[in-house]
Amino acid sequence: DIQMTQSPSSLSASVGDRVTITCQASQDISNFLNWYQQQPGKAPRLLIYDASTLETGVPSRFSGSGSGTHFTFTISSLQREDIATYYCQSYANDITFGQGTRLEIK
Amino acid sequence: QVQLVESGGKVVQPGRSLRLSCAASGFTFSDLAMHWVRQAPGKGLEWLAFISYDANKKYYADSVKGRFTISRDNSKNTLYLQMNSLTAEDTAVYFCASPSSVGNKPSGAFDIWGQGTMVTVSS
Repeated sequence: DIQMTQSPSSLSASVGDRVTITCQASQDISNFLNWYQQQPGKAPRLLIYDASTLETGVPSRFSGSGSGTHFTFTISSLQREDIATYYCQSYANDITFGQGTRLEIK
Repeated sequence: QVQLVESGGKVVQPGRSLRLSCAASGFTFSDLAMHWVRQAPGKGLEWLAFISYDANKKYYADSVKGRFTISRDNSKNTLYLQMNSLTAEDTAVYFCASPSSVGNKPSGAFDIWGQGTMVTVSS
């Protein structure tokens, strides 16, 4: 089974900061990776698919990159409404989520 | 509008069974594969099961294989999850989710989610 290791598990940043989250796969998953945002009490929301493609309607401050085993998710300028937990998800063989990164405002 | 609505969650005793439902509307349900994902209180997301659009293919996470069964009734636009031999570790919010046919999104990208239904396993 593919394991997804996401880091950090939590982080605190200020409005306007650049925020980066990483996701490491236990084996090569090409670009079969998605990123989701989950706000408290809500269902997850797809932000990025195929590692770097922005979902329709998602603000351009969100971006993703990487391939193989190492992936990065970036918010270029943090906004208050971005407070949420973010998950990477592999769909290479089966479906596996990272453990999540809880993002807070400093 | 495109919508998934889960139901059936409740408090149930260990060892008992429960069936969850997920009603779809606003899209052609019979065209899309469907998934169940759960989230234990304060924990992350865990994928549970997949069913193809025609129910010919089904896959499960090891954690629920042999205890949970995914099924669908395309005539009723409804997805089901039959859960047997429940334990406290099954306590979670259960979401149904699907990759829509919009754009060129891959089959593993879930862009349609329900709001979730809470299952609590407790004596």
